[in-house]
Amino acid sequence: DIQMTQSPSSMSASLGDRVTITCRASQDIGNYLSWFQQKPGKSPRRMIYGATNLAAGVPSRFSGSRSGSDYSLTISSLESEDMAIYYCLQSIQYPYTFGAGTKLELK
Amino acid sequence: QVKLLQSGAALVKPGDSVKMSCKASGYTFTDYIIHWVKQSHGKSLEWIGYINPYSGGTNYNEKFKSKATLTVDKSSSTAYMEFSRLTSEDSAIYYCARVDYWGQGVMVTVSS
Repeated sequence: DIQMTQSPSSMSASLGDRVTITCRASQDIGNYLSWFQQKPGKSPRRMIYGATNLAAGVPSRFSGSRSGSDYSLTISSLESEDMAIYYCLQSIQYPYTFGAGTKLELK
Repeated sequence: QVKLLQSGAALVKPGDSVKMSCKASGYTFTDYIIHWVKQSHGKSLEWIGYINPYSGGTNYNEKFKSKATLTVDKSSSTAYMEFSRLTSEDSAIYYCARVDYWGQGVMVTVSS
């Protein structure tokens, strides 16, 4: 199975900060990488697909990038509604595998 | 709009089975595979498997192969997952998803 190593596991940041979360894949996954946001008591919401594509309705302060086997989700200017847990997902090979999650909190 | 509406919470006894549903609307049911995902309390997400509503074909995570059975009813645009021989480790929230759209989740509690 492909391992997705996500970091950090948690972080605190201030409103307006630039925030970056990273996932590293244990094998080549091309651009088959999505990012999800999950708020307490809610289902995951897809934010980014294909490593860099913004899902419909997602604010433009969110972006995705790739450098080799490292994939990043960046929030350019943190807003209070962005406090959540973020997960990456590889979808190139079954079983699909998720990162362990990054809990984003307000400082 | 696309919706995946899942059945309600379930309280089941150890050793029992539970069958949950996922009713799709707002799109052609047979055009998209349905995935099932497990989320244990406070933990990350685990992919259980998928079913192709058009063909009925399935693909299971090896970890859940003896535990989960995925089926569909095309006439009602509904996908089902049956989880068998339940233990406390199976207490979790279970989601159906198209990946781009997710159901609201079913909380399953296994307790005597």
